[in-house]
Amino acid sequence: AQSVTQPDIHITVSEGASLELRCNYSYGATPYLFWYVQSPGQGLQLLLKYFSGDTLVQGIKGFEAEFKRSQSSFNLRKPSVHWSDAAEYFCAVGPMEYGNKLVFGAGTILRVKS
Amino acid sequence: DGGITQSPKYLFRKEGQNVTLSCEQNLNHDAMYWYRQDPGQGLRLIYYSQIVNDFQKGDIAEGYSVSREKKESFPLTVTSAQKNPTAFYLCASSLRVGSHTNTQYFGPGTRLTVL
Repeated sequence: AQSVTQPDIHITVSEGASLELRCNYSYGATPYLFWYVQSPGQGLQLLLKYFSGDTLVQGIKGFEAEFKRSQSSFNLRKPSVHWSDAAEYFCAVGPMEYGNKLVFGAGTILRVKS
Repeated sequence: DGGITQSPKYLFRKEGQNVTLSCEQNLNHDAMYWYRQDPGQGLRLIYYSQIVNDFQKGDIAEGYSVSREKKESFPLTVTSAQKNPTAFYLCASSLRVGSHTNTQYFGPGTRLTVL
């Protein structure tokens, strides 16, 4: 069965420091991988996605993620965190075909300290 | 302005009542989805629809019902059979049949509280 694990429930980072959020997945075929961000009481905003090709994917707000097939991972990174990045981050995996469900991780809450 | 709208933003229900959550999109997407979000559990799929007049159960469909009479609209009814309906509900949509992408875009959500 498909599954997504985000091992860190909470992460606290100082403003200006680098960030890495971990995501491991279990999927039987070639996955599509996504990172979403959610501010409190809001919907999810797409940060980036991986379908194929270059395993280093650039997204919005200065985020990037690297797909490592051998490790079944899709970790999210940012070189310098801003206070406005404080939010909850979700990793998701799904099939190539539209209209089929995504499986989401439980989320990682990012806190940024000044 | 293209996007997904959900209404109301907050909804209160008495036990034993059915309530309907609205989801509308003007993105011309064929597929629409309903998710439930509880703290620490990520998102769980309730129902999804790939095309008008067709929909499929997700992982936690019990106590919920949907309809898809128009491409733009996918309302969710939370029935009295749903034992623990207090949660944050998110609607999403994705692009057309045959597309190689399954990127889902989300609405702002509805918070349902049972009194």
